[in-house]
Amino acid sequence: DTAVSQTPKYLVTQMGNDKSIKCEQNLGHDTMYWYKQDSKKFLKIMFSYNNKELIINETVPNRFSPKSPDKAHLNLHINSLELGDSAVYFCASSQGVAGGGETQYFGPGTRLLVL
Amino acid sequence: AQKITQTQPGMFVQEKEAVTLDCTYDTSDPSYGLFWYKQPSSGEMIFLIYQGSYDQQNATEGRYSLNFQKARKSANLVISASQLGDSAMYFCAMREPWMDSSYKLIFGSGTRLLVRP
Repeated sequence: DTAVSQTPKYLVTQMGNDKSIKCEQNLGHDTMYWYKQDSKKFLKIMFSYNNKELIINETVPNRFSPKSPDKAHLNLHINSLELGDSAVYFCASSQGVAGGGETQYFGPGTRLLVL
Repeated sequence: AQKITQTQPGMFVQEKEAVTLDCTYDTSDPSYGLFWYKQPSSGEMIFLIYQGSYDQQNATEGRYSLNFQKARKSANLVISASQLGDSAMYFCAMREPWMDSSYKLIFGSGTRLLVRP
């Protein structure tokens, strides 16, 4: 009964490859997010989707493309992977409503290592 | 721009004692929210506690309480009766203004807490 799940948990790949990370939430939330945590543990938002619509799009290389097939899923596709993409990627979700529904709940993270 | 500062990169606490993790924030928006998350060595991000800027009382959740001092712009996390399982990285975060049912969480740099037996 995992609330926010991500696959895979670990991803090791070569530079230049294309990879995807999947995220699913069973909380009935309307809004989903992607965050990146770098090697110094700094967390920064990348994208948010509300009901399949892109809302937040931070200054992220366009090699990163989120896709939301439905409001329970938000996938992250990364083209032409670079060494600097090595990080932990977290998916999160929230109800998208102020006053109690705004807490973001995070998935377990996907540890990406680009060699 | 909004900012979160955690000045303690690392802290020790004796088991069963209380510990306070510091967090200060900076914002010009009258409506904001403050969060604390725990990241154990296994890596997941666990939500601990939330405080809204208009909340009159300090938030509490079990052994966690948030010491919210609005005038000082501080939102310190207090963990009472520390347990070995509390050893983890703790992040303070602030909600940026809403953007159509989404918002950004701005995170501090984190405090690594080690509980000694």
